[in-house]
Amino acid sequence: DSGVTQTPKHLITATGQRVTLRCSPRSGDLSVYWYQQSLDQGLQFLIQYYNGEERAKGNILERFSAQQFPDLHSELNLSSLELGDSALYFCASSTAPTGELFFGEGSRLTVL
Amino acid sequence: EDQVTQSPEALRLQEGESSSLNCSYTVSGLRGLFWYRQDPGKGPEFLFTLYSAGEEKEKERLKATLTKKESFLHITAPKPEDSATYLCAVQASGTGANNLFFGTGTRLTVIP
Repeated sequence: DSGVTQTPKHLITATGQRVTLRCSPRSGDLSVYWYQQSLDQGLQFLIQYYNGEERAKGNILERFSAQQFPDLHSELNLSSLELGDSALYFCASSTAPTGELFFGEGSRLTVL
Repeated sequence: EDQVTQSPEALRLQEGESSSLNCSYTVSGLRGLFWYRQDPGKGPEFLFTLYSAGEEKEKERLKATLTKKESFLHITAPKPEDSATYLCAVQASGTGANNLFFGTGTRLTVIP
């Protein structure tokens, strides 16, 4: 158990809909990262927050947004969903800006 | 552009048959190279960090090494429980995991 909690574990929705994925980092970790993992592209970095502020952006679509709240949990919002958004979405946290990330078990999104 | 290439894509070993996984990287300035293990349906689990050429790290049957252009993950006398996907990631000079590039992984299967 990494200590990172993600909900929901599975989500099935239709094209054009909007979903919110939630992440609670390990106790004490200030940094939260969101990654997308699809079969053909591997793990792709989306966005990082540090103590409530956006720290870095990767290949995140404009239809996607995220935030980190004062209690340090984070939410990833995906809107106008397309079939190609079907993937595993991972949240990770760390105590410092290093590559030693602790990943949650992911949220599997299926867009039909 | 920063790039990570892992080979082979998949590897089947008999229990006890040692082998190596390769991670070739191209990065503007290496801050760190990381190995993660990912079990099906789970988030990646951190294994090792290597910072400079010549460095080696060991954990049970796994040993990671680093040169200026590639890293190897050596698996000695593997057991079925070592079956997983092994991911390599590099962190380029900069701040935070925005510079963390993952390879697509090597899927290892160890047959009893």
